[in-house]
Amino acid sequence: GAVVSQHPSWVICKSGTSVKIECRSLDFQATTMFWYRQFPKQSLMLMATSNEGSKATYEQGVEKDKFLINHASLTLSTLTVTSAHPEDSSFYICSASASRGDYYGYTFGSGTRLTVV
Amino acid sequence: AQTVTQSQPEMSVQEAETVTLSCTYDTSENNYYLFWYKQPPSRQMILVIRQEAYKQQNATENRFSVNFQKAAKSFSLKISDSQLGDTAMYFCAFMLIQGAQKLVFGQGTRLTINP
Repeated sequence: GAVVSQHPSWVICKSGTSVKIECRSLDFQATTMFWYRQFPKQSLMLMATSNEGSKATYEQGVEKDKFLINHASLTLSTLTVTSAHPEDSSFYICSASASRGDYYGYTFGSGTRLTVV
Repeated sequence: AQTVTQSQPEMSVQEAETVTLSCTYDTSENNYYLFWYKQPPSRQMILVIRQEAYKQQNATENRFSVNFQKAAKSFSLKISDSQLGDTAMYFCAFMLIQGAQKLVFGQGTRLTINP
């Protein structure tokens, strides 16, 4: 089945530094990837949609200059949290879709727990 | 905009019992998909079952089945013969076929299966 690999699984960084999270589709080409944020005991909040070779589409209220998304190839999307602050601490999850015809639900990465100290 | 509502924040049943999780949604569109995802303590999101809105027949996957009532915009999940491994957060999700195909999630139901 389709596998999405997300790294790192957890990261601790100092306030003011940047952190990059990678999301790779291992056995399929992902034309579209989604990035979510999940607070403890809450649902997934969509942050942005990235399409290979084009700019990401951000949801309302998400700072695109803080959360940089790059989808340079059909198998890799990255989320960079720039100038991280403690309020950016959260669980970040990516998901991928092979194509518009993939209606079997998206495949999710295992998530990244970010702690900013 | 589409919304998904799960009115049961937490549920708890004994092993081997049957449990039903509720989900309602709101949309003015006609072509969409509905999903149930499971998030165990590992936090890995796992697809449990999906339903195409144009299909009247309710989807089933082994012990998991849905009751899809399109007119009522209801999409409940029934878990039969519940097992300890079913303990998880369950999220109902909606996706329009047209457009960006984004998943819209409900708030989630925390299900605990007791031995």
